[in-house]
Amino acid sequence: GDSVTQMEGPVTLSEEAFLTINCTYTATGYPSLFWYVQYPGEGLQLLLKATKADDKGSNKGFEATYRKETTSFHLEKGSVQVSDSAVYFCALVAKRALEGGSEKLVFGKGTKLTVNP
Amino acid sequence: NAGVTQTPKFQVLKTGQSMTLQCAQDMNHEYMSWYRQDPGMGLRLIHYSVGAGITDQGEVPNGYNVSRSTTEDFPLRLLSAAPSQTSVYFCASSYGSVRNEQFFGPGTRLTVL
Repeated sequence: GDSVTQMEGPVTLSEEAFLTINCTYTATGYPSLFWYVQYPGEGLQLLLKATKADDKGSNKGFEATYRKETTSFHLEKGSVQVSDSAVYFCALVAKRALEGGSEKLVFGKGTKLTVNP
Repeated sequence: NAGVTQTPKFQVLKTGQSMTLQCAQDMNHEYMSWYRQDPGMGLRLIHYSVGAGITDQGEVPNGYNVSRSTTEDFPLRLLSAAPSQTSVYFCASSYGSVRNEQFFGPGTRLTVL
């Protein structure tokens, strides 16, 4: 079945450090890919998305590029801030395998990021 | 807009008790869903609905019921609570389908003793 694998956390960085959180996927065809972020005590919110190969999603200084050849969607930020401390989830929606089939959002297990001043 | 609201924020139940987790959205979204979040497991889909009167099972539906009588509301019922249902529950909604941005509620933290 469709699945998402994220790098194990937690990740601890100092302010202004470079961030990479790895995400690879297994899916039929070419899924849509997402990064969601969960700040402490809150629900998830969409950070960025990409819907086809070589697309780059970007938001709030974060970027991720849809790499079909490596089935990856790694999240990067050049200079993290304390306010970026959160749990980051990679997710996918696979295209329907059959007409009338349902689509579901499949999440990775999440990577907790802590940024220290 | 209030967005997606969930009540209660916290709940403690005894094994065998039943309860309903409420979820409402004021964005006229067709798609609504329930997830549970457990440590090291990410989010797992319990049930979802593509519109009023239509519901379907997700990855972990056992022990839970849902209904969708209106576009706005999507309650989740625990029929006979078990300790394995201790979790944080999130409701989400989106315009159209699951491919669009999901808007999540703040969550309900449930403990079953």
